[in-house]
Amino acid sequence: TQLLEQSPQFLSIQEGENLTVYCNSSSVFSSLQWYRQEPGEGPVLLVTVVTGGEVKKLKRLTFQFGDARKDSSLHITAAQPGDTGLYLCAGAFNFGNEKLTFGTGTRLTIIP
Amino acid sequence: DVKVTQSSRYLVKRTGEKVFLECVQDMDHENMFWYRQDPGLGLRLIYFSYDVKMKEKGDIPEGYSVSREKKERFSLILESASTNQTSMYLCASSSGGESTDTQYFGPGTRLTVL
Repeated sequence: TQLLEQSPQFLSIQEGENLTVYCNSSSVFSSLQWYRQEPGEGPVLLVTVVTGGEVKKLKRLTFQFGDARKDSSLHITAAQPGDTGLYLCAGAFNFGNEKLTFGTGTRLTIIP
Repeated sequence: DVKVTQSSRYLVKRTGEKVFLECVQDMDHENMFWYRQDPGLGLRLIYFSYDVKMKEKGDIPEGYSVSREKKERFSLILESASTNQTSMYLCASSSGGESTDTQYFGPGTRLTVL
């Protein structure tokens, strides 16, 4: 079973600060997704990246896929309390295979 | 909007009981998934189904079985619940065929086995 490690596991910062969370694997992803989960809800998809080196932006969130497609990062600029949640990366290791392997998660708390 | 519903938000059962967790999706999706979520371990795939009556084991199928008699409904069965199956259970569905498909999740069932 491939493993996805996320870091940090917990992060608590003040509103307005910037932060980056990481997702790493020893294996090559065919694609990678980031989800956010709020308390009492299921995860919701934020973005899908497919190409090595790809960068996608979603308002204040910037997602980057590593050149070798083994890692990804999520950068949040000027964090807001609404960004609070559990961030999960999920990788697919085979093209056309619908199975995803989820990371261990980063629990982010933004303090007003 | 895709809607995935799970039969219960909270469930308390006793060791040895047979437990059914139900999941229904309303978007005619081909794929359905059952995960369990535990702190520090992320989501782990128990079983998934890519068609009616078709199923495939995930990473942690031991102690679980599934049933998919209709396209919209996917059931997770704990034949004899044990305390180590206390967890949050999440159901998801996707349209199918590609790893880049969005998985749509239900709100989860928090199961406690006493």
